[in-house]
Amino acid sequence: SQKIEQNSEALNIQEGKTATLTCNYTNYSPAYLQWYRQDPGRGPVFLLLIRENEKEKRKERLKVTFDTTLKQSLFHITASQPADSATYLCALDMDTGRRALTFGSGTRLQVQP
Amino acid sequence: DAGVIQSPRHEVTEMGQEVTLRCKPISGHDYLFWYRQTMMRGLELLIYFNNNVPIDDSGMPEDRFSAKMPNASFSTLKIQPSEPRDSAVYFCASSSFLISTDTQYFGPGTRLTVL
Repeated sequence: SQKIEQNSEALNIQEGKTATLTCNYTNYSPAYLQWYRQDPGRGPVFLLLIRENEKEKRKERLKVTFDTTLKQSLFHITASQPADSATYLCALDMDTGRRALTFGSGTRLQVQP
Repeated sequence: DAGVIQSPRHEVTEMGQEVTLRCKPISGHDYLFWYRQTMMRGLELLIYFNNNVPIDDSGMPEDRFSAKMPNASFSTLKIQPSEPRDSAVYFCASSSFLISTDTQYFGPGTRLTVL
């Protein structure tokens, strides 16, 4: 079955540094991968989508890479701020033609001022 | 648009009671998803609908769980009878493939506590 792995340990970095989060998956070749942000007590919020034929996607201070050979996506936040502190989830489409997503367990990011 | 609306936001009940969670998706979205989130298991898909029709309910844990979508603007998730292990945050999400591929828009969630 499809498996998604995200670093379960919290990532602590200093303000202004670049945060890099990892998402690894097995047993599947997704058509795309999505990243969501979740704050405590709230639902996940969509950030970025990257397709299998795209190597990199950017949005303001966010950058996502997608390596289908390594079965890995990296999520970068440059010039991180304390307001970036949250849990970040990656998600894959479950199957061609189906619209449901499988979510990773998320990585908690803490940006220290 | 107000986004996905869920009610109640918090529910505390006793074991054996019936619990009904409600969701109003974003207008115009044709997909609706129910998830459950716990520390141990993360975010799990329970069931999803397309145009009010259940497509995949393989994530529904037991027959105690049931979901309906009587129209495009309303869905319910019912647990009867509830058990302490059902305690979790339940999220509803909606999407429209035509508008935004498979981006899902989540509601604020219902925190369920079964005593």
